[in-house]
Amino acid sequence: AQKITQTQPGMFVQEKEAVTLDCTYDTSDPSYGLFWYKQPSSGEMIFLIYQGSYDQQNATEGRYSLNFQKARKSANLVISASQLGDSAMYFCAMREASELYGGATNKLIFGTGTLLAVQP
Amino acid sequence: KAGVTQTPRYLIKTRGQQVTLSCSPISGHRSVSWYQQTPGQGLQFLFEYFSETQRNKGNFPGRFSGRQFSNSRSEMNVSTLELGDSALYLCASSLREGPPTYEQYFGPGTRLTVT
Repeated sequence: AQKITQTQPGMFVQEKEAVTLDCTYDTSDPSYGLFWYKQPSSGEMIFLIYQGSYDQQNATEGRYSLNFQKARKSANLVISASQLGDSAMYFCAMREASELYGGATNKLIFGTGTLLAVQP
Repeated sequence: KAGVTQTPRYLIKTRGQQVTLSCSPISGHRSVSWYQQTPGQGLQFLFEYFSETQRNKGNFPGRFSGRQFSNSRSEMNVSTLELGDSALYLCASSLREGPPTYEQYFGPGTRLTVT
């Protein structure tokens, strides 16, 4: 069964510093997608970045980058130059593999999340 | 372009009642998924709809049901509410035409409290 593990329940980082949020995954499917979402206290899940299992390069989106190490089954999120507004819960997720509908499903399996607090 | 909208945002119900939550996806998106978020269980997948058909279903009792309309709007219904159904219910929409698209965009959620 597919599984996402986030071992850091909470983290602190100083404003303007970089921070890495850990994510490891388990799957036997050769084709998969990995996502990171940010959830502020308001509750809405905000899409940050995506990495496909066949992507040759690590994904980047502005201050967010994904350190994808396929052999280690890890997909860590790196936030550069942290800002106060980055304080939130961060979730790593994997798109579930499916034999139905040609393997296409939007079902996501989420980790338990990491609560990031950015300090001034 | 308007985002995913969910109504109502907050809801208080009594045990045994039923509730209907609504989700309007981003214009042009045809896939809608529902998730339940609780402190104890985290984020759990409920079901996914595409073009009015349920494509996938999570491990929830039959009290949880959903549907999708021809305009892609979706509703989920929970009958015979239990205290454990108190949660944030999140809806996500995705374009999903041709090869799977990557992003799913979530709505603000409906916070349901069962007393």
